[in-house]
Amino acid sequence: GESVGLHLPTLSVQEGDNSIINCAYSNSASDYFIWYKQESGKGPQFIIDIRSNMDKRQGQRVTVLLNKTVKHLSLQIAATQPGDSAVYFCAENSNTGNQFYFGTGTSLTVIP
Amino acid sequence: GAVVSQHPSRVICKSGTSVKIECRSLDFQATTMFWYRQFPKKSLMLMATSNEGSKATYEQGVEKDKFLINHASLTLSTLTVTSAHPEDSSFYICSATSPGAGRVRFFGPGTRLTVL
Repeated sequence: GESVGLHLPTLSVQEGDNSIINCAYSNSASDYFIWYKQESGKGPQFIIDIRSNMDKRQGQRVTVLLNKTVKHLSLQIAATQPGDSAVYFCAENSNTGNQFYFGTGTSLTVIP
Repeated sequence: GAVVSQHPSRVICKSGTSVKIECRSLDFQATTMFWYRQFPKKSLMLMATSNEGSKATYEQGVEKDKFLINHASLTLSTLTVTSAHPEDSSFYICSATSPGAGRVRFFGPGTRLTVL
C-alpha cells in the first residue's frame, strides 16, 4: 500500500538556524501534500500545503519543496524559534481517494 | 475559521464502560468528518470516515461495533468506544474539511482516553 515516511525521526537545531524536515512518499498518484505541526497533547495544526503542479510554495517562515521525480517533500523553517519545537508530519492524498496517508513524524527540538 | 473542537479533552474510565467523544465543527458545516487514533510517539491512523446522515466507513481492521460513529448533524460527529478495555487507551482525534478550503483537513485538539 501507499506509504509516507520521513528520513529523520528527530532533529535538533539551534535557535535562529534554518530547519529542513524531509519526507518521502511512494504513491505516484498523490497530487496533494500537507505539512502538519503537532505539539505535545494537541491535535495536528495545518502549516502549509502544496499541489503536485507546483515545485515550491512559501508561507510565513516556511517553504515546502516538492520533487515529484524522486517522490520527495521537504519543509524548510527559517530562523527556527523555540515555539517551533514539535512533531512535524507530512501527509499525502490523491484526488481519487479519501485517505490521507501520514508519515511517521519528525520531532524537532530547538535549542535556545 | 475552520475550527474543530472535541469534548472531552481527557477522560478516564473503568474497563467495560462506554465512552462518547464529541467532535464539532464550530464555524462551518462538515458533511464528512474523520476519526483518527494516535499511539504515543506514533503517527495518525485513520479509523473511519463519518458521513452526515449515513453510515460511517471504517478502515480495515477497525471494529465498527467497538467504535460506534454517529454523524447526526452537519456540525457534530460522535465516536463511542463501547466496552472499553485498557488497550483502547489512546489519543483520539477528529478532523474535517471545510467548504472553500479545498482538501485541507482541520484537526480537533484530540481526546486522551485512559481505560483503567
